[in-house]
Amino acid sequence: KAGVTQTPRYLIKTRGQQVTLSCSPISGHRSVSWYQQTPGQGLQFLFEYFSETQRNKGNFPGRFSGRQFSNSRSEMNVSTLELGDSALYLCASSQQGSPMTYEQYFGPGTRLTVT
Amino acid sequence: AQSVTQPDIHITVSEGASLELRCNYSYGATPYLFWYVQSPGQGLQLLLKYFSGDTLVQGIKGFEAEFKRSQSSFNLRKPSVHWSDAAQYFCAVGGSRAGNMLTFGGGTRLMVKP
Repeated sequence: KAGVTQTPRYLIKTRGQQVTLSCSPISGHRSVSWYQQTPGQGLQFLFEYFSETQRNKGNFPGRFSGRQFSNSRSEMNVSTLELGDSALYLCASSQQGSPMTYEQYFGPGTRLTVT
Repeated sequence: AQSVTQPDIHITVSEGASLELRCNYSYGATPYLFWYVQSPGQGLQLLLKYFSGDTLVQGIKGFEAEFKRSQSSFNLRKPSVHWSDAAQYFCAVGGSRAGNMLTFGGGTRLMVKP
């Protein structure tokens, strides 16, 4: 079974621009979560989608948004980029149903650099 | 609120020596606990998980972890470390009380001396 894929792997953007990151979950997984990883803040939860609905959201500003499509693929968007948005963005997928929902499988991440 | 503490930011062990990485959690009910490993520039790989039952769980790459409810701990162990184990290790907790999300510790960077 193919793992979680994320595109692009690397991205360089300028302050004020917006960016869209993509994630394809493991086949059969319907829950997709996004995390931000930085050296200073560590791994922080952004949001989780299931059946095209956002079920849970972390403590991030409204500039961070996401969506999920009917095939479970997900995108996240960051508008008006700031230098502090430079990070590794990780996508994770899981099966539905407790406790499997918490057994999350991660993609390789997208490294975003904001200049 | 749930939280995870990994007291050791860096640990160095000699190849062939045993390893124990500490993890303490705070959670108001029975938690679901995980250990992940991250190599440089890579995503997170799941090493092992605890949902319920036997408190000693086995994972991949020869790792095991023990859930101790009385100590709110879930320490990761390996009897003999290999140079390829050098990486960053993260402990995480999840559960229905905090939504469908994982809360991660700050991570422990493991270095292996030849």
